[in-house]
Amino acid sequence: ILNVEQSPQSLHVQEGDSTNFTCSFPSSNFYALHWYRWETAKSPEALFVMTLNGDEKKKGRISATLNTKEGYSYLYIKGSQPEDSATYLCAFPTGANSKLTFGKGITLSVRP
Amino acid sequence: DTEVTQTPKHLVMGMTNKKSLKCEQHMGHRAMYWYKQKAKKPPELMFVYSYEKLSINESVPSRFSPECPNSSLLNLHLHALQPEDSALYLCASSQFPGQENYGYTFGSGTRLTVV
Repeated sequence: ILNVEQSPQSLHVQEGDSTNFTCSFPSSNFYALHWYRWETAKSPEALFVMTLNGDEKKKGRISATLNTKEGYSYLYIKGSQPEDSATYLCAFPTGANSKLTFGKGITLSVRP
Repeated sequence: DTEVTQTPKHLVMGMTNKKSLKCEQHMGHRAMYWYKQKAKKPPELMFVYSYEKLSINESVPSRFSPECPNSSLLNLHLHALQPEDSALYLCASSQFPGQENYGYTFGSGTRLTVV
């Protein structure tokens, strides 16, 4: 059974605070790790797809790192803004034919 | 066009009704997916279509019947659903099946309520 764990479950921060989330996944048979941002009433949006151990990717104020040996990825948001309020999901593909398993997500709320 | 379009956005149906959900993409993606999401839970995979053929059925009850008429269109036919089937149904696509170094493109979902 594959477990993708995310922590914390929810986070409330003040505008301007920096924050980070953790996604844990099985370290064996690693292929890729996806991060998605899901704003209320919108579509989940792909942020990063990470494939290499030690990978670090950045998109504006958001960045992510990957450690495949120990089975975790961190997502950082620098200087959170109210528009960053969303649920952040990580997902791990398993098996053939593209089976993507999601974590429960982390709900971020940024207060102005 | 870089979107996945799902219709309808909301659907209320009785337990004896037959309805269909529709999903469309024009990005040339060759893998398409149906996910089900209940409140406060992660999206759960239901079906995968690879090159218009059903490749994964996650033991979904037969009252859900997927169909992929062409490479741009994915339907989910619903019949004799139960109230516990009420959920958000998400469609997604990806460029190539089995190449998970590409992100998925999701639709905004159909919110289904079974009464």
